[in-house]
Amino acid sequence: GNSVTQMEGPVTLSEEAFLTINCTYTATGYPSLFWYVQYPGEGLQLLLKATKADDKGSNKGFEATYRKETTSFHLEKGSVQVSDSAVYFCALSDTGANSKLTFGKGITLSVRP
Amino acid sequence: EAQVTQNPRYLITVTGKKLTVTCSQNMNHEYMSWYRQDPGLGLRQIYYSMNVEVTDKGDVPEGYKVSRKEKRNFPLILESPSPNQTSLYFCASKEDRWTSPLHFGNGTRLTVT
Repeated sequence: GNSVTQMEGPVTLSEEAFLTINCTYTATGYPSLFWYVQYPGEGLQLLLKATKADDKGSNKGFEATYRKETTSFHLEKGSVQVSDSAVYFCALSDTGANSKLTFGKGITLSVRP
Repeated sequence: EAQVTQNPRYLITVTGKKLTVTCSQNMNHEYMSWYRQDPGLGLRQIYYSMNVEVTDKGDVPEGYKVSRKEKRNFPLILESPSPNQTSLYFCASKEDRWTSPLHFGNGTRLTVT
């Protein structure tokens, strides 16, 4: 079945540091890939997505590129802010009838001033 | 405002006492789904619905029921809650395309004693 593996956390960075959160996946076919963010006490919000190989999703300074050859979708940001502190989830969308999202376990990012 | 609304946000109950968590979306989405979020396990799908009167099991359906009598509503029913159902629950909806992202509610934190 499908699976998503995220790097272990938590991650603590200083403000303006460079961020990379690794995500690799296993899936049949050509899934869509997503990054979601969850702020304390809230539901998950879509951060960015990519629907085919070599697509780059971007939003709020975050970027991720769909790499089919390495089955990866790593999240990057050049300069993090305190307001980026949250839990980040990588996910893929099944291409079958359910089209359910399979999530990684999430990683907590804390950014220090 | 486009949104998925869950109620209640917090619920404490006792083993065996039937409860319903309501979910409503105002985006005219065909697809709706329930997930539970547990520490170290990420999000797991409980049930999903492709359209009115069409529901199916996700990965962890045991102990739960759902119904989809109207397009906008997708309640989650626990007929006889048990402590292992203590969790954070999310309802979500999306357009009926596998490339579409899920829109999440703000969650219901359920405690079963």
